[in-house]
Amino acid sequence: GESVGLHLPTLSVQEGDNSIINCAYSNSASDYFIWYKQESGKGPQFIIDIRSNMDKRQGQRVTVLLNKTVKHLSLQIAATQPGDSAVYFCAEIENTGNQFYFGTGTSLTVIP
Amino acid sequence: ETGVTQSPTHLIKTRGQQVTLRCSSQSGHNTVSWYQQALGQGPQFIFQYYREEENGRGNFPPRFSGLQFPNYSSELNVNALELDDSALYLCASSLDLEKYNEQFFGPGTRLTVL
Repeated sequence: GESVGLHLPTLSVQEGDNSIINCAYSNSASDYFIWYKQESGKGPQFIIDIRSNMDKRQGQRVTVLLNKTVKHLSLQIAATQPGDSAVYFCAEIENTGNQFYFGTGTSLTVIP
Repeated sequence: ETGVTQSPTHLIKTRGQQVTLRCSSQSGHNTVSWYQQALGQGPQFIFQYYREEENGRGNFPPRFSGLQFPNYSSELNVNALELDDSALYLCASSLDLEKYNEQFFGPGTRLTVL
């Protein structure tokens, strides 16, 4: 499969601060990206998505930025809360629509 | 909870054995995907089923096979188990093909191969 990787395997932030999680991808054919949150003992949970014809998308407290020039994706979490502590994965989907590539993941720890 | 259930929760097998893992999709979901997640890694796509037919496959050998039933529940079968097959196996269901933003994951089955 293609390479989808994350720059930082672990990230610790103070409660209330903003968090930024980064992801690099290598397949220029990918046209859809998703960020997932995975808590211990649970399956991944959808957070936010973005298509390749966009460079920014905002949700509730989360923003995803896509830079196709350098094949980079980031997830910004505003006012990070203890409940945000989890492993975060980016995933890319090729435009064939039936292949998923997940990154390795970043473990986010929020310090109260 | 997502409405996607998997059984069993945990399973221990020995090398060379065969295993069947089961997944019940969320009501009305006709698409199921299976993933293997090794410890400390991201999930790896195994295959996807849509309306009882395989609709895509990742880089896994033929000893990984699947089924989807008329009620859209699904099975993952692994033959000739190897030590490296030890992982968390996740299934995810969605309302239709390419509805990835509406794809819900189950809690997974933890398989240990000794």
